[in-house]
Amino acid sequence: AQSVTQPDIHITVSEGASLELRCNYSYGATPYLFWYVQSPGQGLQLLLKYFSGDTLVQGIKGFEAEFKRSQSSFNLRKPSVHWSDAAEYFCAVGAENDMRFGAGTRLTVKP
Amino acid sequence: DGGITQSPKYLFRKEGQNVTLSCEQNLNHDAMYWYRQDPGQGLRLIYYSQIVNDFQKGDIAEGYSVSREKKESFPLTVTSAQKNPTAFYLCASSISPPTGGTLSTDTQYFGPGTRLTVL
Repeated sequence: AQSVTQPDIHITVSEGASLELRCNYSYGATPYLFWYVQSPGQGLQLLLKYFSGDTLVQGIKGFEAEFKRSQSSFNLRKPSVHWSDAAEYFCAVGAENDMRFGAGTRLTVKP
Repeated sequence: DGGITQSPKYLFRKEGQNVTLSCEQNLNHDAMYWYRQDPGQGLRLIYYSQIVNDFQKGDIAEGYSVSREKKESFPLTVTSAQKNPTAFYLCASSISPPTGGTLSTDTQYFGPGTRLTVL
């Protein structure tokens, strides 16, 4: 079965700074890859997903993610963070009729 | 407005009591899911259902039960057999088109969650 790791439990960035959240997966082939965001006390919302094709995927709210097969990674990026981006971010990996979520990375945005 | 509703938002239960969490969707999605979320552990799948009157156990089904009598509704019962039920519970749904779409590939749409506390 596949597995997913988000190495950073908590990240703090200043408003306006760039952001990169890391996601690594373990699976023998290319899985389906997702990034979700969760605001405090709320459900998850899809930011973007990758199945195949162009390895740079654009999502909502100005986020993008890049699939790197050689590194088994699917890192999420944003060029300039806004205070409203403070939330928890989850990477998810789908394969073989199974979906695995990472433990999440909590993002704090400093003014 | 289409979406998923979960009720109640907060739920308190005494040890030894069963409690049922509600999940309703009006997205006309075939598949529905229940997850448990604990701090630092991400989401863990409890049960899922891809069609009415059918459901499958997830990774942590012990102590939980579900039913899927209607397409729109997928209630979760936390029974007294669940040893550590205090958690945040999330319901989700996905479209699961007839030609494909599985647990691996579908985008899931989440409700706002129910926080269950056992007193």
